[in-house]
Amino acid sequence: EAGVTQFPSHSVIEKGQTVTLRCDPISGHDNLYWYRRVMGKEIKFLLHFVKESKQDESGMPNNRFLAERTGGTYSTLKVQPAELEDSGVYFCASRRGGIYNEQFFGPGTRLTVL
Amino acid sequence: AQTVTQSQPEMSVQEAETVTLSCTYDTSESDYYLFWYKQPPSRQMILVIRQEAYKQQNATENRFSVNFQKAAKSFSLKISDSQLGDAAMYFCAFTKTSYDKVIFGPGTSLSVIP
Repeated sequence: EAGVTQFPSHSVIEKGQTVTLRCDPISGHDNLYWYRRVMGKEIKFLLHFVKESKQDESGMPNNRFLAERTGGTYSTLKVQPAELEDSGVYFCASRRGGIYNEQFFGPGTRLTVL
Repeated sequence: AQTVTQSQPEMSVQEAETVTLSCTYDTSESDYYLFWYKQPPSRQMILVIRQEAYKQQNATENRFSVNFQKAAKSFSLKISDSQLGDAAMYFCAFTKTSYDKVIFGPGTSLSVIP
């Protein structure tokens, strides 16, 4: 089965611009998570979707970040307007429902804001 | 709040030797899950091993084993017969429940010397 995919792999934008990151979870995985690692710090949770609903968005840093998961399939994370401190690697993970607990991670999108 | 600490930013091991990566965590929960994830350079993060807190027996996966000390809140990873392909960033991680976000430690970069 195909793994979690993310697009683009790398994005370089200028401060104030908008960027949209995409995550395609493993087929059949209702749970989708976004994480990010900035400035070599810990990987931090951003939010969790169950199908198309936001289950937990406690990690979203501010209202410049907007995540969507229309139809409960792929998800997008938009940063508008981007700031320098948004630079980092954004990871997506998906997990099948039920008690089996493994989250499968995508390769990440490296975002550089100049 | 839960926290995960990895006190070794970098480690190295000779090929075929054994290495132990340290991890401590803090939580007030009695039931939870602990993980070690591996992220090779420019590749996806994959799950190496997981431990359910209610299980007293230490988890093992081939050359990988853990030493889970619940009272001490310690969860170390032992890699036996180290191979060149083991070179990666290793993240210790924690979740409260099967649906919860993953809380990561800062990571340990492991080098394997031929």
